[in-house]
Amino acid sequence: NAGVMQNPRHLVRRRGQEARLRCSPMKGHSHVYWYRQLPEEGLKFMVYLQKENIIDESGMPKERFSAEFPKEGPSILRIQQVVRGDSAAYFCASSPGAAPEAFFGQGTRLTVV
Amino acid sequence: QKEVEQDPGPLSVPEGAIVSLNCTYSNSAFQYFMWYRQYSRKGPELLMYTYSSGNKEDGRFTAQVDKSSKYISLFIRDSQPSDSATYLCAMTLNDYKLSFGAGTTVTVRA
Repeated sequence: NAGVMQNPRHLVRRRGQEARLRCSPMKGHSHVYWYRQLPEEGLKFMVYLQKENIIDESGMPKERFSAEFPKEGPSILRIQQVVRGDSAAYFCASSPGAAPEAFFGQGTRLTVV
Repeated sequence: QKEVEQDPGPLSVPEGAIVSLNCTYSNSAFQYFMWYRQYSRKGPELLMYTYSSGNKEDGRFTAQVDKSSKYISLFIRDSQPSDSATYLCAMTLNDYKLSFGAGTTVTVRA
């Protein structure tokens, strides 16, 4: 049973470009969470999604960031017009139901140059 | 004041020693408490998960929760070089939104 799959593992974008981060949850998991990890800081909750629904986006910046989890396909975290401050590791986690025991992927490391 | 405080270390111990890690928190409504291990450039891996105050043991790992003091601990007995990693405490007041500590980096010397 494959774990949570994130791609790409590394992403370099120039300022002003768009970044798309993908997350395929574990088989049988319908709940997806995105976290951001800045250097020297802990992981910060961004958004919680179920299939076709955003349940809680209280940790998402109000502008430029969006997330989706369509009926088919992976969950996508989209960052428009990236800035240097968006450089971070973005982790996706999944669980079979709403549960604190989430399983994390390996992360996507975004570098904005 | 941060919601979850964790000493960043680094912590260096000889092989076989007991590693003691701690976190304090400010929100008394937190109900679930977790410890994750994160190797360099990898994702966090769930080690321990507890709900109530008291101790929970799993192999060489013991998690301790003291809700009255808003303090949680993780102990690693007979530490091994493979235990060298960053340890993250996390907690939540509902069933999904985790609040993490900044992590403690541990090195176990052979």
